[in-house]
Amino acid sequence: GAGVSQSPSNKVTEKGKDVELRCDPISGHTALYWYRQRLGQGLEFLIYFQGNSAPDKSGLPSDRFSAERTGESVSTLTIQRTQQEDSAVYLCASSLNGGLNEQFFGPGTRLTVL
Amino acid sequence: AQSVTQLDSQVPVFEEAPVELRCNYSSSVSVYLFWYVQYPNQGLQLLLKYLSGSTLVKGINGFEAEFNKSQTSFHLRKPSVHISDTAEYFCAVSPNTGNQFYFGTGTSLTVIP
Repeated sequence: GAGVSQSPSNKVTEKGKDVELRCDPISGHTALYWYRQRLGQGLEFLIYFQGNSAPDKSGLPSDRFSAERTGESVSTLTIQRTQQEDSAVYLCASSLNGGLNEQFFGPGTRLTVL
Repeated sequence: AQSVTQLDSQVPVFEEAPVELRCNYSSSVSVYLFWYVQYPNQGLQLLLKYLSGSTLVKGINGFEAEFNKSQTSFHLRKPSVHISDTAEYFCAVSPNTGNQFYFGTGTSLTVIP
């Protein structure tokens, strides 16, 4: 079956521009996670959606970062006024019912801010 | 706060030799522990996890890991590696709330023929 997909696969933008990254989770997965992976670093938790509950936004690094999810489907991560330090691979994962269930990861979006 | 340390960024090993990938964590609460693997040009996938019970956990592809609470470690082992095990391995912890996951920086395992 289809896995987690993300688009675009690569995004190059200029400093100060806004970007939107998209994640399509596995159908039926109620939980969705966003992570950031900077070069040479581990995955950094950003935000967690579970069903209709309020998202856990505790990992968002600043108010320039926001994310939305429509029901149990697509999620969009938006970064406003991008900075060079936002350059990273942004990974999305989904899981069945969240918690400690296995997360299935997408291929990621590589964001480069010039 | 939680953190995960993978001291070895790169581990080269000859085919059929044993390997151990080290993972240490720090946490002020009980945690659950995971190893994920990322094969070249693929997304991360779960290798194994420790939630409770036996401290020795067996995963896919012949890997196993042992939870050592006193040493706050969760090292990954395989007695005999194959070329196909060449990949990036990530250790992760989740506090007992289960919402957030903290990953290490990864260990690149290269199996040499």
